[in-house]
Amino acid sequence: EAGVAQSPRYKIIEKRQSVAFWCNPISGHATLYWYQQILGQGPKLLIQFQNNGVVDDSQLPKDRFSAERLKGVDSTLKIQPAKLEDSAVYLCASSRIAGALNSPLHFGNGTRLTVT
Amino acid sequence: SQQGEEDPQALSIQEGENATMNCSYKTSINNLQWYRQNSGRGLVHLILIRSNEREKHSGRLRVTLDTSKKSSSLLITASRAADTASYFCATGRGSARQLTFGSGTQLTVLP
Repeated sequence: EAGVAQSPRYKIIEKRQSVAFWCNPISGHATLYWYQQILGQGPKLLIQFQNNGVVDDSQLPKDRFSAERLKGVDSTLKIQPAKLEDSAVYLCASSRIAGALNSPLHFGNGTRLTVT
Repeated sequence: SQQGEEDPQALSIQEGENATMNCSYKTSINNLQWYRQNSGRGLVHLILIRSNEREKHSGRLRVTLDTSKKSSSLLITASRAADTASYFCATGRGSARQLTFGSGTQLTVLP
């Protein structure tokens, strides 16, 4: 099966600019996650979708970050305006079964964002 | 906040040696998962162990779970240079439907 696709692979922007990331999960995977991974740290969950509904966005900085998953398939994550501390790798993941109890996550290769 | 914390933060061994990484967590869990991340890539799922299991094997990987000590260990036997990567533990707990990742162990296997 094809893996989780993410684009772009790299992005460099200046602070206060906006940026968008795209993710296409594995076909048939109902659950989609966006994680932020700062250099040297583990991934931190930003938002979780179940089909096209939001399950958890408690750690999403909603004043500047937004995400949507139209039609319950691919998803976009947007940052507007970007800050220096947003420099990180943004990882998209999907899982076949809803919830973390028994279902491994499949990750894309991420988008590395540098904010200057 | 991160639930699991890996120890050590970095580990360097010779090819053929065994590598052991530990994970400690703070609250009760339903399962614990280990992931590998090669440089510049996404995370890859290695193994999942449920809270009622004590040990699990997959190829050269052996995972143990001690819920009384709130800890897990990942053993990689007969390591290879290709095992060089960061290893993360992740916990799923309660009604939460997401995984919480630790900060990882950077393993370097020298040829």
